[in-house]
Amino acid sequence: DAKTTQPTSMDCAEGRAANLPCNHSTISGNEYVYWYRQIHSQGPQYIIHGLKNNETNEMASLIITEDRKSSTLILPHATLRDTAVYYCIALGYGNKLVFGAGTILRVKS
Amino acid sequence: KAGVTQTPRYLIKTRGQQVTLSCSPISGHRSVSWYQQTPGQGLQFLFEYFSETQRNKGNFPGRFSGRQFSNSRSEMNVSTLELGDSALYLCASSLRTDPSYNEQFFGPGTRLTVL
Repeated sequence: DAKTTQPTSMDCAEGRAANLPCNHSTISGNEYVYWYRQIHSQGPQYIIHGLKNNETNEMASLIITEDRKSSTLILPHATLRDTAVYYCIALGYGNKLVFGAGTILRVKS
Repeated sequence: KAGVTQTPRYLIKTRGQQVTLSCSPISGHRSVSWYQQTPGQGLQFLFEYFSETQRNKGNFPGRFSGRQFSNSRSEMNVSTLELGDSALYLCASSLRTDPSYNEQFFGPGTRLTVL
């Protein structure tokens, strides 16, 4: 499984877009980029995933660079409830999620 | 539909004892994975079961074991508990196992404290 690198922490003003970057320069062609988040004391929650095209769902957008070496998770209008640890994971076949340290996102009013 | 449930939610044991944790996946999900979360090591994969067979295993000692039943419910067992086993143990279930769409649903976890 490819290793991912994320900033340790980020701050975002409430109502503004939160852009969380992730580097995965060693990702292989069959690995998908998955994003999960973990709000304090809860189990991780799936957000979005993609292979090489940009993806959008009701929670977020995922922008993957053309060379697939990095991606950005976008929360379009961050709220205080989006304060959490965000994990970027490169997932191949199988269910083994390899979590790094993630990015602590603090949304401030 | 009901989410992933884990029992018990909290557990206190002493060193040397053994413990069994239980996980009931979402109805219809055949894959169950277990994770350990500690402040020092973060979230680490323990093992995954699919249709009663262990398919993946993380880098944990043999004291950590698991099994899955025919109804997809899973248990994990830790024998000869050590202080370092104190952690939040999370269970996740998923419907599919290929990465094209592999949303894993996590339970609330079991908080194990070893004294």
